[in-house]
Amino acid sequence: GNSVTQMEGPVTLSEEAFLTINCTYTATGYPSLFWYVQYPGEGLQLLLKATKADDKGSNKGFEATYRKETTSFHLEKGSVQVSDSAVYFCALTTTGGGNKLTFGTGTQLKVEL
Amino acid sequence: NAGVTQTPKFQVLKTGQSMTLQCAQDMNHNSMYWYRQDPGMGLRLIYYSASEGTTDKGEVPNGYNVSRLNKREFSLRLESAAPSQTSVYFCASSDNSVGTDTQYFGPGTRLTVL
Repeated sequence: GNSVTQMEGPVTLSEEAFLTINCTYTATGYPSLFWYVQYPGEGLQLLLKATKADDKGSNKGFEATYRKETTSFHLEKGSVQVSDSAVYFCALTTTGGGNKLTFGTGTQLKVEL
Repeated sequence: NAGVTQTPKFQVLKTGQSMTLQCAQDMNHNSMYWYRQDPGMGLRLIYYSASEGTTDKGEVPNGYNVSRLNKREFSLRLESAAPSQTSVYFCASSDNSVGTDTQYFGPGTRLTVL
């Protein structure tokens, strides 16, 4: 079956620090990979996605590269802001899977001044 | 354009009571989903509807039923609530025309079962 493993939080960083949140996956078939973000009290929203190996997804300064050889999709940002404080979820779907998402457990990020 | 809306936002039930969570989307999406979010477990799929008139079980369907009322609306029913169903429930929708379209989430319903 499909599964997603991401680093546990909370991750606490100072503003302008470099961020990495690790995500690895196990999947049958050829997965598409996603990062969703959940701000306090809100639903999830798509941050970025990649649909095939070596694709790089990017949005709002965040990036993640689909690495098939290491089955990874790590999220990075060069300089975080207080407004990036949220919970980040790595997720995947597989072709023929009805677009059903399999989520990781989420990583809480806290950015301090 | 409201996106995905859910009602109610909060609900407290006693064990054994029933209730229906409502979800509607105005994006003309084919597919709709119900997830529950529990601490340390991410989101888990309860039921989904790939298209109007169809529903299928997800990872954790026990204790729930769903109805795809029309293309816009997808409701989740708890017939006899249990404390283990205390959770935050999210509805989502996607176009699904190419199999990997983005899912759009509602703001959630926080349910407590006493």
